[in-house]
Amino acid sequence: AQTVTQSQPEMSVQEAETVTLSCTYDTSESDYYLFWYKQPPSRQMILVIRQEAYKQQNATENRFSVNFQKAAKSFSLKISDSQLGDAAMYFCAYRSSNTGTASKLTFGTGTRLQVTL
Amino acid sequence: ETGVTQSPTHLIKTRGQQVTLRCSSQSGHNTVSWYQQALGQGPQFIFQYYREEENGRGNFPPRFSGLQFPNYSSELNVNALELDDSALYLCASSIETWAPEAFFGQGTRLTVV
Repeated sequence: AQTVTQSQPEMSVQEAETVTLSCTYDTSESDYYLFWYKQPPSRQMILVIRQEAYKQQNATENRFSVNFQKAAKSFSLKISDSQLGDAAMYFCAYRSSNTGTASKLTFGTGTRLQVTL
Repeated sequence: ETGVTQSPTHLIKTRGQQVTLRCSSQSGHNTVSWYQQALGQGPQFIFQYYREEENGRGNFPPRFSGLQFPNYSSELNVNALELDDSALYLCASSIETWAPEAFFGQGTRLTVV
């Protein structure tokens, strides 16, 4: 079974600064997806960024980028130029690419990000 | 706004009762998954439905059951409610089971007293 670990329950960053959220995972599969989701107080999970395991290039979406280290099973999220609206819970998630099984997401326990002025 | 809507937004039930939570997927999405998110935890996979059939189940007892309808709506039913069932219940729809992206609703907050 796959597991996802987020070892930082809370992080704080000043507005306009950069912060990195950590995530490690465990799997015996070679092909999979990794995601970062944001959950603001509105509770809706919003996809921040996605990484396909077969791609060596790290994914980037505007101010959000990842550092994907497949051998180390590490998947960190870097938020640049942090904004007040970035304050939320951030969840790292894993999904197998195996189409023969349910496409379920396995989530970590989350990191609460605070953004201060 | 992802187009996935859930109802109701909040619900209070008594232990032992039954509850039905509803989800309306995005049009054209034939796959829906349900998750339970306890306070301070990440979501846990309950089950997935694909074209109205159960397509996989997490570690939840049979009193958690579901239905999916042809009009892209679905239900999560929980019988014999227990206090530990208090959680946020999220549904997520995908255009196909193989599609990497899932779109989440805002969830239903269930409180069992």
